[in-house]
Amino acid sequence: GENVEQHPSTLSVQEGDSAVIKCTYSDSASNYFPWYKQELGKRPQLIIDIRSNVGEKKDQRIAVTLNKTAKHFSLHITETQPEDSAVYFCAASNYAGNMLTFGGGTRLMVKP
Amino acid sequence: SAVISQKPSRDICQRGTSLTIQCQVDSQVTMMFWYRQQPGQSLTLIATANQGSEATYESGFVIDKFPISRPNLTFSTLTVSNMSPEDSSIYLCSVGAGGYGYTFGSGTRLTVV
Repeated sequence: GENVEQHPSTLSVQEGDSAVIKCTYSDSASNYFPWYKQELGKRPQLIIDIRSNVGEKKDQRIAVTLNKTAKHFSLHITETQPEDSAVYFCAASNYAGNMLTFGGGTRLMVKP
Repeated sequence: SAVISQKPSRDICQRGTSLTIQCQVDSQVTMMFWYRQQPGQSLTLIATANQGSEATYESGFVIDKFPISRPNLTFSTLTVSNMSPEDSSIYLCSVGAGGYGYTFGSGTRLTVV
């Protein structure tokens, strides 16, 4: 089955700096890669996703890149703000509607 | 994206008892997923629930411990049976309406004492 690894497990940045979280996956059949933000005591919220036919996607301060050959994808957050502090999870799925396999999570702390 | 109502939001249960968690979706979906999130950990898939067939369980999870019902395309329940303190976790249901954009229920925080 699919295995998703995520690094780093914790990340501390100064407000205004950029943050990068990286994930690798094992199943070359995976074709959908979402990122979730989970604040304390709340459900995971989808913040951005990318499909395997696209190399990069951007939404305001958030971007995701995908390298299918290397089987890794990354989340980039620019101009970080204290409200970006949360746990971020990457995930992978091998076809539409199928289960997601999650990475281990990254605790991002943005220091004001 | 689909909206999921999950209940209860939290419960404290005695060991040896069972708890049933319900998820109601505002649209029809083929597959519903049940995840467990242990304290400070990531999400682990328990099982996939299809309407009209038995749920498919992941390695380490068995039907006797986590029976699932899926009576129609908008509703599912997960029961945590014969609970022990190790079952204390957050349980979440999820759907992938339209194939992408998976959403989650608000979660059930279970504490077993």
